[in-house]
Amino acid sequence: GAGVSQSPSNKVTEKGKDVELRCDPISGHTALYWYRQSLGQGLEFLIYFQGNSAPDKSGLPSDRFSAERTGGSVSTLTIQRTQQEDSAVYLCASSPRAGSYNEQFFGPGTRLTVL
Amino acid sequence: AQRVTQPEKLLSVFKGAPVELKCNYSYSGSPELFWYVQYSRQRLQLLLRHISRESIKGFTADLNKGETSFHLKKPFAQEEDSAMYYCALRMDSSYKLIFGSGTRLLVRP
Repeated sequence: GAGVSQSPSNKVTEKGKDVELRCDPISGHTALYWYRQSLGQGLEFLIYFQGNSAPDKSGLPSDRFSAERTGGSVSTLTIQRTQQEDSAVYLCASSPRAGSYNEQFFGPGTRLTVL
Repeated sequence: AQRVTQPEKLLSVFKGAPVELKCNYSYSGSPELFWYVQYSRQRLQLLLRHISRESIKGFTADLNKGETSFHLKKPFAQEEDSAMYYCALRMDSSYKLIFGSGTRLLVRP
């Protein structure tokens, strides 16, 4: 079956604009994660969804960042009033469920460039 | 705070040479350690996890709790091993991964 998909693959925007990044997890996976990979940095956890539970938003860097997951499947990460420091690759991952022994499967990422 | 450190940004070796990618972590509980790999133009994927105690593509990694390390080793590097390698930590009772900054392995012919 298909893996995790993300769209768009690349996004160039101007400072101050809002952007939406989309993630389609593997069918049947209840856990979904967003990470950010800045140049020269490791992956930074942003937010986590598990089924119908309240998401863990502890990694979101500011209130300009938000995410939702509709119907327990597709997720959208929204960045409002983008800043140049938001430029990064945004990775989505899913797993059958959260916790140990559950491999996270990553999407190809969305490369965001804020001019 | 919990942290994963990969001290080398770039490791360059010749084909057939042994390779060791270093990973140290800081966490006082029971960690679960992983190595993820990203080949050129491919997505990030799991290489191995310490609880499996298996060798994948000739790579092994042993969790050393005394030294808080989880170094990735391969006795004879191949050109196709060239990639970006990330060490990651999952704390007990957690679900998110804490990643190191990654090491780029370049295997020269």
